[in-house]
Amino acid sequence: DGGITQSPKYLFRKEGQNVTLSCEQNLNHDAMYWYRQDPGQGLRLIYYSQIVNDFQKGDIAEGYSVSREKKESFPLTVTSAQKNPTAFYLCASSDRQVRNQPQHFGDGTRLSIL
Amino acid sequence: RKEVEQDPGPFNVPEGATVAFNCTYSNSASQSFFWYRQDCRKEPKLLMSVYSSGNEDGRFTAQLNRASQYISLLIRDSKLSDSATYLCVVNPGGAFSGGYNKLIFGAGTRLAVHP
Repeated sequence: DGGITQSPKYLFRKEGQNVTLSCEQNLNHDAMYWYRQDPGQGLRLIYYSQIVNDFQKGDIAEGYSVSREKKESFPLTVTSAQKNPTAFYLCASSDRQVRNQPQHFGDGTRLSIL
Repeated sequence: RKEVEQDPGPFNVPEGATVAFNCTYSNSASQSFFWYRQDCRKEPKLLMSVYSSGNEDGRFTAQLNRASQYISLLIRDSKLSDSATYLCVVNPGGAFSGGYNKLIFGAGTRLAVHP
């Protein structure tokens, strides 16, 4: 079954701690994205990657970091510099080779502060 | 002005009703348009793409008006299972660091269908 897998489903962060959210896809998509969703708000782009070993900041990258060492994987680290990390985090992917394609989402990770 | 604007609702309708949502976008060069559905505490799922000529998928009809820069979603014969938040999504077009698939998400319109 092709799809995007995010883990864990729920995550709690202590003060001063870095935490890493996993995102894996087997859709053979080049492009991957991380979004944050706060209650009653639209999705906001944190980072995106068009190809392996390359990634770009989105609209709200401060306090976050990513890596793209493999096509299938795009982990997101929420660092201690992110002062308001409580949110629903969504990973998405799309076929970069085809224009105007929609993005497909994993089922998300809910992050809360302890 | 927000890039993509939607009425947050909620739209409370009885089963069997017809309901329509509009969404406006600010970038006249926008290239592609989508409606996503998001259930409470779940990920967004693609409902349908929106084509210039308008398109229909069962009880759902999407329309695009480029001159007025809005898209619409019509749901006929509403079911209880249609209750969700509907996200209007726009690809603003142009280069996106070499890619084509940047998407701008509206905050969503909430639909509640009651018996």
